[in-house]
Amino acid sequence: GENVEQHPSTLSVQEGDSAVIKCTYSDSASNYFPWYKQELGKRPQLIIDIRSNVGEKKDQRIAVTLNKTAKHFSLHITETQPEDSAVYFCAASMWGTALIFGKGTTLSVSS
Amino acid sequence: DAGITQSPRHKVTETGTPVTLRCHQTENHRYMYWYRQDPGHGLRLIHYSYGVKDTDKGEVSDGYSVSRSKTEDFLLTLESATSSQTSVYFCAIGREDQPQHFGDGTRLSIL
Repeated sequence: GENVEQHPSTLSVQEGDSAVIKCTYSDSASNYFPWYKQELGKRPQLIIDIRSNVGEKKDQRIAVTLNKTAKHFSLHITETQPEDSAVYFCAASMWGTALIFGKGTTLSVSS
Repeated sequence: DAGITQSPRHKVTETGTPVTLRCHQTENHRYMYWYRQDPGHGLRLIHYSYGVKDTDKGEVSDGYSVSRSKTEDFLLTLESATSSQTSVYFCAIGREDQPQHFGDGTRLSIL
């Protein structure tokens, strides 16, 4: 089955800096790669996703890149703000099937 | 998310007792999922359903059973709870043309 590795497990940046979180997956059949943000005590919420027919997708300060050959994808957050502090999870699956998640990255943005 | 209701939101029980968690959706989504979240492990898939009476095991299904007799309800049962099942349990729903999204979670403590 699918296995997703996520790095780093913790990431501390200064406000205004960029943050990058990386994930690798094992199943070449996976074609859907979402990213979820979870604030303390809350449910995970989708922030951006990408399908395997696209190499990059942007939404304001957030971007995701995908390298299907290498089986890795990354989340990029630019101009970080304190409210970006949260746990971020990557996931992989075939579209419409159960997501398999990485173990999460705790991002801390200090002002 | 108003479309997904998990109950109870919090529960404390004793080892060896049966426990049932309920996930109710009002969005008529085909797929429903149960995950558990533990520190250092991220979100791990327990069981999922792709229709009424159609369920399958996830990566951590031992000690859990599920049932789905109606589209809107997906029940997770711990037949004889153990302390290792202390966790936060999230239900999620999805369908072929929409990304998966989560309920608010149930915090379960087994003493």
